[in-house]
Amino acid sequence: TQLLEQSPQFLSIQEGENLTVYCNSSSVFSSLQWYRQEPGEGPVLLVTVVTGGEVKKLKRLTFQFGDARKDSSLHITAAQPGDTGLYLCAGTKPRDDKIIFGKGTRLHILP
Amino acid sequence: KAGVTQTPRYLIKTRGQQVTLSCSPISGHRSVSWYQQTPGQGLQFLFEYFSETQRNKGNFPGRFSGRQFSNSRSEMNVSTLELGDSALYLCASSLYPGARVNEQFFGPGTRLTVL
Repeated sequence: TQLLEQSPQFLSIQEGENLTVYCNSSSVFSSLQWYRQEPGEGPVLLVTVVTGGEVKKLKRLTFQFGDARKDSSLHITAAQPGDTGLYLCAGTKPRDDKIIFGKGTRLHILP
Repeated sequence: KAGVTQTPRYLIKTRGQQVTLSCSPISGHRSVSWYQQTPGQGLQFLFEYFSETQRNKGNFPGRFSGRQFSNSRSEMNVSTLELGDSALYLCASSLYPGARVNEQFFGPGTRLTVL
């Protein structure tokens, strides 16, 4: 059972379009992180969300943590080719220090 | 502050051989975790070390082992390599385990190819 489901698995869109990717679970998480990984490199931490309903912005990227702390979304405005990569979400469950990773959304922005 | 470093970056081995991968965490970070990443399975947790002790272990056979040194540097070893062990092996460091906000910082990985 995959505790963190990411959707879509693959997304290919034109430069300048907006997009949203999702990270869903039936479990509650204490915190949730989003990473971006480029081919042949390690994941790079983008943001950590902790509070239910929290919204964080990183330039054109907007991250939201669900009110119940079971899901999260990443919205990209005016996507650019540099946004191409594998987006991973990872969560830590309460009273359990193991980190769980989703399988990721592979995003390709066409110039 | 220097990031997580992993050596070597690339490695080619043949079936039956063994391999040792090295990871140096961010200065001040005491927890090191290892992951295997393949296209089909995504990131799979191997094990986590803190204060030279293995704290958590994933579902991998005993051929996969690791250790941590007093300076927090870590190594992982894979013995009797199989073709299916070909993967990107990632090391991640964090300040300490068990935190409510447990942010991990990854190294660039070691790409292992088993022929």
